[in-house]
Amino acid sequence: GENVEQHPSTLSVQEGDSAVIKCTYSDSASNYFPWYKQELGKGPQLIIDIRSNVGEKKDQRIAVTLNKTAKHFSLHITETQPEDSAVYFCAAPNLGNTGTASKLTFGTGTRLQVTL
Amino acid sequence: DTEVTQTPKHLVMGMTNKKSLKCEQHMGHRAMYWYKQKAKKPPELMFVYSYEKLSINESVPSRFSPECPNSSLLNLHLHALQPEDSALYLCASSPGLAGVSGELFFGEGSRLTVL
Repeated sequence: GENVEQHPSTLSVQEGDSAVIKCTYSDSASNYFPWYKQELGKGPQLIIDIRSNVGEKKDQRIAVTLNKTAKHFSLHITETQPEDSAVYFCAAPNLGNTGTASKLTFGTGTRLQVTL
Repeated sequence: DTEVTQTPKHLVMGMTNKKSLKCEQHMGHRAMYWYKQKAKKPPELMFVYSYEKLSINESVPSRFSPECPNSSLLNLHLHALQPEDSALYLCASSPGLAGVSGELFFGEGSRLTVL
């Protein structure tokens, strides 16, 4: 099964600075890598995802990069704002014995705190 | 606002009680999920329903019993729970199976406390 490691576990940045969260995965056949943001008292919400046929994807202040050779992907948040404060989870498909994606394996989470 | 609705938001139950958590989505999604989330941990998959059939059970104890009455509804029946079962229970849905078809849509969760 897939093993996803996520670092750092906590990250504190000043408003306006950039934040980077990194994940590694174990299954070289994995081909889809989403990032979820979980605010206090809410369920996780997809903020960006990337498929293995591209190396980078951007959506306004958020970007994700993928290095298939090294089996790692990263979330980049620029010009951070207080509302970016939340827990962020990376994930990768768990391909199971048949090689078909049946579920997602989540990373351990990063608590991002954006201070004024 | 989330399009996956979970009730109740909070539930306190004793170890001998029987209760149910409910989840509803009207996005036409064919896969629905129950996750358990402990504090400061990632969501852990419990069950997956695909086209109203149970497709994955992550070796969950039988005191948790899922039910999918139709394509829009998902229930989790609880009986004889233990204090360590206290957690946030998240329901999610997706157009197809997660990891294949993309986004999981999560509800806000039901926070369960077992006394």
